[in-house]
Amino acid sequence: AQSVTQLDSHVSVSEGTPVLLRCNYSSSYSPSLFWYVQHPNKGLQLLLKYTSAATLVKGINGFEAEFKKSETSFHLTKPSAHMSDAAEYFCVVSMGTGRRALTFGSGTRLQVQP
Amino acid sequence: EAGVVQSPRYKIIEKKQPVAFWCNPISGHNTLYWYLQNLGQGPELLIRYENEEAVDDSQLPKDRFSAERLKGVDSTLKIQPAELGDSAVYLCASSSDGVNTEAFFGQGTRLTVV
Repeated sequence: AQSVTQLDSHVSVSEGTPVLLRCNYSSSYSPSLFWYVQHPNKGLQLLLKYTSAATLVKGINGFEAEFKKSETSFHLTKPSAHMSDAAEYFCVVSMGTGRRALTFGSGTRLQVQP
Repeated sequence: EAGVVQSPRYKIIEKKQPVAFWCNPISGHNTLYWYLQNLGQGPELLIRYENEEAVDDSQLPKDRFSAERLKGVDSTLKIQPAELGDSAVYLCASSSDGVNTEAFFGQGTRLTVV
């Protein structure tokens, strides 16, 4: 069975400060991992994905995540938050045939204070 | 390239009435997903298709929910009869063949049952 745990339901940062959104996964096999972002009344958009190549993955809008197998973690970071980063973020694990069985975490709401 | 198209965007119905949602995936994508997203939660898989075959429908409440994907392209999700607890956002997504491919999501249908 596979699962993903997002350790914080809400994160609040000031504009210009670093962002850390934490994600731990559980998977019997080598997983694929994704981060998606959901802005209010918008569809889910892929930020980045890990697929067993480089452990440090760079995504869009300055986000990156590091796959740490020993810690079963895939935390999302950004050096400097922007107001437009305020949204809901989902960590997703994928395995199974073609790794197309996607399991979502419960989400982390990021607030960015001016 | 057009994205995943869902309709309608919003639907309000009375309880015990039927409702149907339609999804047109990205052209060439053989995998199609239907997810349910309750307010403040992560999406939960209802059903996953590989072409015309439903390969994972273990979370679909089959007493009232049904889905079909004729010809392996468009898909319809139906609820009959709807209950108050079915109020949620219903998301459709698609992905291409190959390992580790990400899913692309539609805007969703927001269902309100009154």
